[in-house]
Amino acid sequence: QQQVKQSPQSLIVQKGGISIINCAYENTAFDYFPWYQQFPGKGPALLIAIRPDVSEKKEGRFTISFNKSAKQFSLHIMDSQPGDSATYFCAARPYYGGATNKLIFGTGTLLAVQP
Amino acid sequence: DAGVIQSPRHEVTEMGQEVTLRCKPISGHDYLFWYRQTMMRGLELLIYFNNNVPIDDSGMPEDRFSAKMPNASFSTLKIQPSEPRDSAVYFCASSPGPERSGANVLTFGAGSRLTVL
Repeated sequence: QQQVKQSPQSLIVQKGGISIINCAYENTAFDYFPWYQQFPGKGPALLIAIRPDVSEKKEGRFTISFNKSAKQFSLHIMDSQPGDSATYFCAARPYYGGATNKLIFGTGTLLAVQP
Repeated sequence: DAGVIQSPRHEVTEMGQEVTLRCKPISGHDYLFWYRQTMMRGLELLIYFNNNVPIDDSGMPEDRFSAKMPNASFSTLKIQPSEPRDSAVYFCASSPGPERSGANVLTFGAGSRLTVL
């Protein structure tokens, strides 16, 4: 049933480095691709999102790159900080001819940024 | 707003017992979602409601799971009988309708951690 594949499962990055998390989706119509960030003991929270008519979106140190033809999208965290240590989920929203707000999530990436 | 409120935060029970998880969505949100999080499978959508009506329950694992939303401010997820493989963190999330501000954003509760012995 999994339609969104996420990698890597875990990632260790040095402070100031670039964290890169990748996602790929299968042959389903999706119209919205958010990334959620989850800290231990908390629920996931929206970090940044992109629509398929845009190839890149940047918000501060966080950038989504989107490749529609390859059905892939990725999250880049520039100048990674220890406070970025969290689990990151990519997601995709199926489009059935109308918005549903239903999100299909990837399996998550546990990011640890070492000081 | 206090956000999405879930209870209990932690539940430890024995196999075969009934478990009821509760959720209070954000006032005015038309959509309510139940997700389950495990290490192996990540966040899985179990069921979601629109205006208190179940829209898609294809993610509900089996008949032991049931969910209700009797009104706009309350939903329950029930497992009866519970099994050790049901151990996970269960999240409730809500979002506004598609025509409203913030329509694309799911707001999650803090989760209910279930352990079935």
